[in-house]
Amino acid sequence: GAGVSQSPRYKVAKRGQDVALRCDPISGHVSLFWYQQALGQGPEFLTYFQNEAQLDKSGLPSDRFFAERPEGSVSTLKIQRTQQEDSAVYLCASSRRQRGDTQYFGPGTRLTVL
Amino acid sequence: AQTVTQSQPEMSVQEAETVTLSCTYDTSESNYYLFWYKQPPSRQMILVIRQEAYKQQNATENRFSVNFQKAAKSFSLKISDSQLGDTAMYFCAFMIYNNAGNMLTFGGGTRLMVKP
Repeated sequence: GAGVSQSPRYKVAKRGQDVALRCDPISGHVSLFWYQQALGQGPEFLTYFQNEAQLDKSGLPSDRFFAERPEGSVSTLKIQRTQQEDSAVYLCASSRRQRGDTQYFGPGTRLTVL
Repeated sequence: AQTVTQSQPEMSVQEAETVTLSCTYDTSESNYYLFWYKQPPSRQMILVIRQEAYKQQNATENRFSVNFQKAAKSFSLKISDSQLGDTAMYFCAFMIYNNAGNMLTFGGGTRLMVKP
């Protein structure tokens, strides 16, 4: 079956613009995660959904970051009033609900804020 | 809070040889999972191997194996018969066991170059 897909793959924004990043998880995967990966570093957790419920948003760096998954499938990560420090690759991952299940990653969206 | 440390920013190995990537972690949890992920240049992250902390036997997947030392909080990855396609960033990651939907905590990564 299809893996996790993300769009767009690349996004260039001017500082102050709003951006929306989309994630399509593997069909049937209940859990969905967003991570932020700065250049040359490991990914860092942003937020977690179980179906449509956002159960953990402890990693969101500021109130400019907002994520939703209204129908329990596709998710959107929105960043308002982008800043240069928001430049990173944003990774989406999905998994089944079971404890310790492997997370499957999408290709990521590379965001560059000028 | 959990931390994961990969002390080797870069490594290289000749094709067909064996290489070991190091990973240490710090946690107060007794049950958890450990993972190695591979991220090839400009390509997505894929799982290489996983280990449940309650299992004493080290995990093996074809040419990839781990040396899990729970008391030392060490989780190294051994790649045997290295291939050019193994060139990638490798990330060690930790997940708490207690319930579903736990996040991964990643190390900073090791860049592995396999030379012909």
